[in-house]
Amino acid sequence: GNSVTQMEGPVTLSEEAFLTINCTYTATGYPSLFWYVQYPGEGLQLLLKATKADDKGSNKGFEATYRKETTSFHLEKGSVQVSDSAVYFCALSEGGSQGNLIFGKGTKLSVKP
Amino acid sequence: DVKVTQSSRYLVKRTGEKVFLECVQDMDHENMFWYRQDPGLGLRLIYFSYDVKMKEKGDIPEGYSVSREKKERFSLILESASTNQTSMYLCASWEAGGYNEQFFGPGTRLTVL
Repeated sequence: GNSVTQMEGPVTLSEEAFLTINCTYTATGYPSLFWYVQYPGEGLQLLLKATKADDKGSNKGFEATYRKETTSFHLEKGSVQVSDSAVYFCALSEGGSQGNLIFGKGTKLSVKP
Repeated sequence: DVKVTQSSRYLVKRTGEKVFLECVQDMDHENMFWYRQDPGLGLRLIYFSYDVKMKEKGDIPEGYSVSREKKERFSLILESASTNQTSMYLCASWEAGGYNEQFFGPGTRLTVL
């Protein structure tokens, strides 16, 4: 079946460091791909998305490119801030009429001043 | 602005109690979902509903039931709460035919003593 694998955390970085969180997927067909972020004590918010191969999603300085050849959707940010400390989830949509998402297990990021 | 609300942010119940978790969305979405979130396990789908009075089991439905009497409201019911149901519960909604982005509520942290 379809699945999402993302790098395990926690990840601890200093402010202004470069961030990469790896995400790979297994899916039939052409799924849509998402990164969600969960700040402490809150629900999940959509960070960015890509709906077809080679699309690049971007938001708040974060980017991820849908790579069909490597089945990957890695999250990157050039310079992280303390306020980026959160849990990040990679997810894919199986398509169809029900909107089900399959999530990775999440990666906790801590950014130190 | 789209909004998904959950009836409680924090809840403490006793083993054996019947527990109701309520979720309301104001976006007229057809589909609604209940997940539980546990450290190291990510989000797991409990139940979802694609129409009023319709429901489908997710990956971990055991010990739970759901009710959807109105389009905007989706309730999760723990018939007899147990300590292993201590978790964060997240509700989400999705508009059929969209880009499969799900909108999440803030979550309910349930503790069963």
